[in-house]
Formats: sequence, C-alpha cells, structure tokens
Amino acid sequence: KAGVTQTPRYLIKTRGQQVTLSCSPISGHRSVSWYQQTPGQGLQFLFEYFSETQRNKGNFPGRFSGRQFSNSRSEMNVSTLELGDSALYLCATRESGELFFGEGSRLTVL
Amino acid sequence: AQKVTQAQTEISVVEKEDVTLDCVYETRDTTYYLFWYKQPPSGELVFLIRRNSFDEQNEISGRYSWNFQKSTSSFNFTITASQVVDSAVYFCALSEAVGRGNKLVFGAGTILRVKS
Repeated sequence: KAGVTQTPRYLIKTRGQQVTLSCSPISGHRSVSWYQQTPGQGLQFLFEYFSETQRNKGNFPGRFSGRQFSNSRSEMNVSTLELGDSALYLCATRESGELFFGEGSRLTVL
Repeated sequence: AQKVTQAQTEISVVEKEDVTLDCVYETRDTTYYLFWYKQPPSGELVFLIRRNSFDEQNEISGRYSWNFQKSTSSFNFTITASQVVDSAVYFCALSEAVGRGNKLVFGAGTILRVKS
C-alpha cells in the first residue's frame, strides 16, 4: 500500500513569508502528526490531528498551525517565517502502534 | 516529563563488527511505548521496532536485536555483523500509551558509520 506522502519535498522561502506543507496519510489512517527536525533541536513534536480535531500540541509558537480534512489529509502552515524555521518537517501516521513517517518537506528560509 | 537520552553521538565501526546503540529513557507513565527508528540520508524515518512497557521480552530479528530493561530504564539496540548499508542515524523514541495520542519524544540520535 502507498506510504505517507508529503509535498513539496523541497522549498525555499524568505523571512516574513508563509508556507503550507501537505501530508497525505496511508489510506485508512485517521491520525496525522507533525514533527520538526533541526540540527540544533533534533526531532520535536509539533501537533497531532485525529478525525479533523487537534488532539495534541507541542511547544511551538502560534505561527505554527495545522488542520486536517475529512479525507484525513493534513496541512501545516508556518506564518512570518524566521531563519530558525529552516528544518525538515516530517509527517507521520499510526496503525497498530506503529508510526509511519513520510520522507519530509525540507524548508530553507533565507 | 518524558525524556530520552542517547549518549553516543557517533559510532564508527568496520564492516562485520557488532555494534550496540544505547538508549535510556525517563517517564512517569506506567504504560508507554519505546521505538527505534533509522534515518538514512534520504530523510525518511524507518520504523525498526516498538516495545510496550509490559513486554520485556527481548527479540532478535535477523541481524537486529533489542534489550529492554525496565529496571535500568534502558532500551538498547544491537546490530550484529554490521554492513555499510546500516550507516544511518538511529533514533530511540518514547510515547505514551496508544489512545492518548501519538506524541513521540525522540533522543538526539546516534550516527552510525560502517566502513568497508
């Protein structure tokens, strides 16, 4: 079966812009969680959505937001980008206790 | 608060050597899950194993084995007869019980370099 699909895979933005990243979970998976990976902070939990509701949230500023659609696809948005937002953003879905990750969206903020 | 510590930042071995990656965790939960993931240069996190807090039975799967000890809060991972393709970053992670969300707390990762 298809895996977790994230788009775009790579993108470059400038400070002050906003960005939207998309995640399509494995078919049938209703939970989607997002993680940020940076060299300095490592892998950090952003938020999780289940059946279109945010179920859990990490310690990130309000500039980071997300949503989930009725087909379980999820988007995350970062507004007013800062240089420190440059990172690999990973999306994951869960089934039977196993968390499956996509290949990530690599964001570079200039 | 939950915490995962991977004290080994980087390990270099020669092909065919055995290597053990250490993981120590902290949690106040009585029910929790532990994971190991592998991240190759492509960036995707590849699931290796999950263990729940009630299952201390260790397992061997091919060249991989895991040693879970609640008494020392450790969940170590061993690769026997390492191969160059094993070169990657390995992450240990901890989560609350299923049903309470999918928030994983990751360790900092251990870079494994296997040289031919």
